[in-house]
Parts: sequence; structure tokens; C-alpha cells
Amino acid sequence: GQQLNQSPQSMFIQEGEDVSMNCTSSSIFNTWLWYKQDPGEGPVLLIALYKAGELTSNGRLTAQFGITRKDSFLNISASIPSDVGIYFCAGQLIVSGNTGKLIFGQGTTLQVKP
Amino acid sequence: DGGITQSPKYLFRKEGQNVTLSCEQNLNHDAMYWYRQDPGQGLRLIYYSQIVNDFQKGDIAEGYSVSREKKESFPLTVTSAQKNPTAFYLCASRRTGLNYGYTFGSGTRLTVV
Repeated sequence: GQQLNQSPQSMFIQEGEDVSMNCTSSSIFNTWLWYKQDPGEGPVLLIALYKAGELTSNGRLTAQFGITRKDSFLNISASIPSDVGIYFCAGQLIVSGNTGKLIFGQGTTLQVKP
Repeated sequence: DGGITQSPKYLFRKEGQNVTLSCEQNLNHDAMYWYRQDPGQGLRLIYYSQIVNDFQKGDIAEGYSVSREKKESFPLTVTSAQKNPTAFYLCASRRTGLNYGYTFGSGTRLTVV
């Protein structure tokens, strides 16, 4: 099936540091979403992007929809301990139409040292 | 408050048994989805339904079955034909139209013993 390459796979950072992660694909997407998952829970939507080049912020989080429609990044500024979790990118292919089918990246596990 | 509820949270199954995972939503969402999550992997789509009484296979439908008799409910049955059923199962729903993101349930962890 289609693949999203998410990197890095894991990060271990100091509290207060900035974090950056990204997703790339060889396919074209019309939607990019970023989710956070706490252990044993379902993912929670952080940011949704709907247009190429779109840059959106949600508090300390900023995400961008790549101009080529094949990539997206998520930045977290001034990390805090509660940022710990798994971050997933997800995209909807243009060819998926209105099915809502999403393709997920493998996730980035973030650990923050106080 | 509206939301999506999965039950049970933990489920143990003996080999050869079928088990059914419940997913209920009161968000008035038309579309519902089932994903499987394995450690170190992204979510993989099992089945999805965009309207009542209709559903489609996802990427890994073999060994699973679903029904959509009511808008609010989308149960998933893990059959004995599923060779490696131990996983974390996530149900999601969304409004149709435009590109709305999913609302996820809190998941069911299924373990085969």
C-alpha cells in the first residue's frame, strides 16, 4: 500500500528545546493531519492542513503543508514534559476522493527530560 | 459531551475464537473507520463505512468483519481466520464532506492467549 515516511523515529530531548519532525511521500495529498497519541489512548488531532503551502499554528505547535503536496512538517517550540508521546502524521490522497481514508506515518516517539 | 466510545478497553481471546469489539459514537458522524496499530508501526485501515448499511474493505481486511446497521455503531469482529490478532484496535469517525479529520476512540487492546 501507500507509504508515508515519518522521521525521526524517536527523539529524546531536554525540556525547553525545540523539536522538528516531518513526513514525506512519493504521492500527492490533499490533506495533512498531525496527531498526538498518549500511551494506551487514541490519537488526538493537533493540526489540520488543507492547502499546499499552508502554515498553521496551535499554541507552541506549527505545521506546514509542503508546496509539492508530498510532505509536511511539525515543529514544537520550547518543549515541556507533557509533550511526551507519539506523534503521527496522516494524509489523505487526492485519489481517495471523499472517502476520508487516511494513510499514517510510522510515528515519532518523543521523550522530554525535565 | 459528544464522543466516540470503544469497549472493552482490554480483551483476551483464546485461539480459534471470534471476538467482537464495540464502537459507538454520538457525534452524528456519517463515516466510521477501524484501524489496527502494532508497535512501531503506523495505523493500518481494516474497514470503513461512509453510510449506514454500507462498508468497504481497507488495506488489511482479511480475518475481520464489520456491520453498520445503525449510524452510531460500527462493531468489528476479529475472526479465527485472523492469523495474528494481537494488537491495539482504534475506531474513528468523521463528518463527511471537505477534509475533516477523525475523532478517535480510546482503543481496545486485544491479546490472544
